Amino acid sequence: GAGVSQSPRYKVTKRGQDVALRCDPISGHVSLYWYRQALGQGPEFLTYFNYEAQQDKSGLPNDRFSAERPEGSISTLTIQRTEQRDSAMYRCASSPYHRDGELFFGEGSRLTVL
Amino acid sequence: KQEVTQIPAALSVPEGENLVLNCSFTDSAIYNLQWFRQDPGKGLTSLLLIQSSQREQTSGRLNASLDKSSGRSTLYIAASQPGDSATYLCAVSHYSGGGADGLTFGKGTHLIIQP
Repeated sequence: GAGVSQSPRYKVTKRGQDVALRCDPISGHVSLYWYRQALGQGPEFLTYFNYEAQQDKSGLPNDRFSAERPEGSISTLTIQRTEQRDSAMYRCASSPYHRDGELFFGEGSRLTVL
Repeated sequence: KQEVTQIPAALSVPEGENLVLNCSFTDSAIYNLQWFRQDPGKGLTSLLLIQSSQREQTSGRLNASLDKSSGRSTLYIAASQPGDSATYLCAVSHYSGGGADGLTFGKGTHLIIQP
């Protein structure tokens, strides 16, 4: 596609529910990154993939958070048993070359946990 | 752990002025540094990418410099326009597995250009 596409753009859920956030990167991009951004803060790294391989998941806050990219294209970030503190903007970015490192971001998914 | 600081946190200037945004980082062993622009309700837009071996990059009215040894970068905006109003974010990466790892961001500088 023309840019990185994220869905849903807005998600409101009740505490304890599971949520799945989707990222469709720019076609052909090798690397895919997930970030979380709280109001007034810069994005915080969560995890990233090269093709289908998860290279680094050190930024995932706890084991309720997981991500996959099974075919090396679309990725899903799943949050189980959501808590209010999970409320944030979740941003996905892709990069054509892992070595180059230039990132292209989607518009994000705003998650609100009630 | 890498920490990125941006000064000032907010800046308001009249249209037409030249201005400088500052970014500092604690670990100088970076792979690259990027400046992004963030508009309300939008994603982040990459403005300039400086590899660790480079000193500066230019794009139109924007110039970014990098002094890796001192852990500093500046973003210079010439002849500012109201359309430049946005939050500007600085981010650094480290080398991992043959390329850049995840970025560490600063909190941003919120810039307002008064018409």
